[in-house]
Amino acid sequence: DAGVIQSPRHEVTEMGQEVTLRCKPISGHDYLFWYRQTMMRGLELLIYFNNNVPIDDSGMPEDRFSAKMPNASFSTLKIQPSEPRDSAVYFCASSMLTEANYGYTFGSGTRLTVV
Amino acid sequence: LAKTTQPISMDSYEGQEVNITCSHNNIATNDYITWYQQFPSQGPRFIIQGYKTKVTNEVASLFIPADRKSSTLSLPRVSLSDTAVYYCLVGDHNNAGNMLTFGGGTRLMVKP
Repeated sequence: DAGVIQSPRHEVTEMGQEVTLRCKPISGHDYLFWYRQTMMRGLELLIYFNNNVPIDDSGMPEDRFSAKMPNASFSTLKIQPSEPRDSAVYFCASSMLTEANYGYTFGSGTRLTVV
Repeated sequence: LAKTTQPISMDSYEGQEVNITCSHNNIATNDYITWYQQFPSQGPRFIIQGYKTKVTNEVASLFIPADRKSSTLSLPRVSLSDTAVYYCLVGDHNNAGNMLTFGGGTRLMVKP
């Protein structure tokens, strides 16, 4: 398995532009998570899905952020309009919460820079 | 939600055993303890998980005392490549989001 695949790896955009981050979870995993990591705030859980349904989006900072999971193999995190304070590394993770394995697999992240 | 407390940083030398302790005084009955490792420019990687006593795998050991208010991640004979940030997480498997609330982590520096 190729693991959790995120694209793009790096994104540089101008303030006010729309940004879309993409994630392909591991096949068979029924949970998908979006995280943001910054030096100041560490790793923050933004939203997570179970069977393509958003379960908890309380970590989404504001209405400029939205996430979708149209099917089991794809999710997007969109920021519109983007702001410099959105600059961070965004991680996607997936998991299959079986009894024997509660480990979560993270992607390599998307480093977003908003100028 | 059980809060975790870890040392901010630790230094070690190659070949030594490293023990990183995490405090979780408010751990609940259904909570498990999970440790992750993160290298620069990479996502966190699952290392080990346990509920009580001792768990060992090919990478590390996890020691959990009877009261479960703390846990110790033990890395045997570390190498330079073990330099990373190590996170301790505590949470209930029945709440997926609960299981993934990261604290500040411990930055381990392994020196030659």
